[in-house]
Amino acid sequence: DADVTQTPRNRITKTGKRIMLECSQTKGHDRMYWYRQDPGLGLQLIYYSFDVKDINKGEISDGYSVSRQAQAKFSLSLESAIPNQTALYFCATATNSYNEQFFGPGTRLTVL
Amino acid sequence: AQSVTQLGSHVSVSEGALVLLRCNYSSSVPPYLFWYVQYPNQGLQLLLKYTTGATLVKGINGFEAEFKKSETSFHLTKPSAHMSDAAEYFCAVSDRGGGYQKVTFGTGTKLQVIP
Repeated sequence: DADVTQTPRNRITKTGKRIMLECSQTKGHDRMYWYRQDPGLGLQLIYYSFDVKDINKGEISDGYSVSRQAQAKFSLSLESAIPNQTALYFCATATNSYNEQFFGPGTRLTVL
Repeated sequence: AQSVTQLGSHVSVSEGALVLLRCNYSSSVPPYLFWYVQYPNQGLQLLLKYTTGATLVKGINGFEAEFKKSETSFHLTKPSAHMSDAAEYFCAVSDRGGGYQKVTFGTGTKLQVIP
């Protein structure tokens, strides 16, 4: 099945460490997104990309960076992790019509 | 900016009872409307969507939602709750038009089904 995968699924790290979360998709979608989920806050958009050369900041991009290595791969980096970046992170892809989102299983990140 | 309001962060129903989860949006122009479900330790998956046409939309697992323009609402219903429906449900909207259109998610409603 065409899918969206994320690695790692769980990660515990320390304040100040650099960490990368990876996302791959076999859906053939051009649009890819990174979201952060905190309890009671819904999903907040970190970055989005329409293709390899088109990367855009979302509403909470401070402290994060991304890389679109190929149409199928979109990585999220925390250059210097801090405790309030502890959250559940989701990668998603979307069709060009309607913006229907297809989500990966998520990465639970804990920053100590 | 578009906003989405889900009334009730937690809803409890008895098994077999009606499920009603409420969603209102703020746009004056009808957007695309979605309901997603999130089971524990999983990503969100699409339950149903409204894009155009018939305002009553049927989705997976017996859920349906009705788009009401006059009320700017898109409430999710299921006639008879099942234990497997226990999950968190998110309403989302996306403005129409070309180019990038932001998807705005509600804050979610956790559904508890009581045996």
